Amino acid sequence: AQSVAQPEDQVNVAEGNPLTVKCTYSVSGNPYLFWYVQYPNRGLQFLLKYITGDNLVKGSYGFEAEFNKSQTSFHLKKPSALVSDSALYFCAVRPNFGNEKLTFGTGTRLTIIP
Amino acid sequence: DTGVSQDPRHKITKRGQNVTFRCDPISEHNRLYWYRQTLGQGPEFLTYFQNEAQLEKSRLLSDRFSAERPKGSFSTLEIQRTEQGDSAMYLCASSLTGSDTQYFGPGTRLTVL
Repeated sequence: AQSVAQPEDQVNVAEGNPLTVKCTYSVSGNPYLFWYVQYPNRGLQFLLKYITGDNLVKGSYGFEAEFNKSQTSFHLKKPSALVSDSALYFCAVRPNFGNEKLTFGTGTRLTIIP
Repeated sequence: DTGVSQDPRHKITKRGQNVTFRCDPISEHNRLYWYRQTLGQGPEFLTYFQNEAQLEKSRLLSDRFSAERPKGSFSTLEIQRTEQGDSAMYLCASSLTGSDTQYFGPGTRLTVL
């Protein structure tokens, strides 16, 4: 079985400060890892993914994430937060073969304080 | 923008009624997925298609739920005899074979009274 944990329901960051949204996962085999963002009354927007290769992946809107196999983590980061980054963020995982379904965490609400 | 589209965006129905939702994937995407998202939770997988073949169904998909993709393009999700517990956001996503990224539509919010 595969699972994702997002330990923080809510993260508050001052505008201009760096932000981190945490994610840990469990999956059989090697993971494919994803971050999505959800704005009110809208679907999920793809931010970035880790499939293989460099542990630091860069995505949309200046976001990046670091894959750490030993800690089974895939934390989302951004060097300088914008008010427009305020949204609900979801981490998701699937194994690298044999299973197409994504398993999501419960989400982290990120609020950037002006 | 030729992203994933879903119709309707909102549906309010009475308990016991049947409802049907439609999803149009990104053009040429041969894989299509349905997820359900309840308040405060992440999306949960329901089912997925490769072309017209339904390849996997979650145990969440009870006998009252049925999904089709008859021509390998758009898909429909039908819920029969709706229950209040069916109230949720129903999300559709699509992807292309060989790509690992699923692109999501705006969702259909179902409210069962």
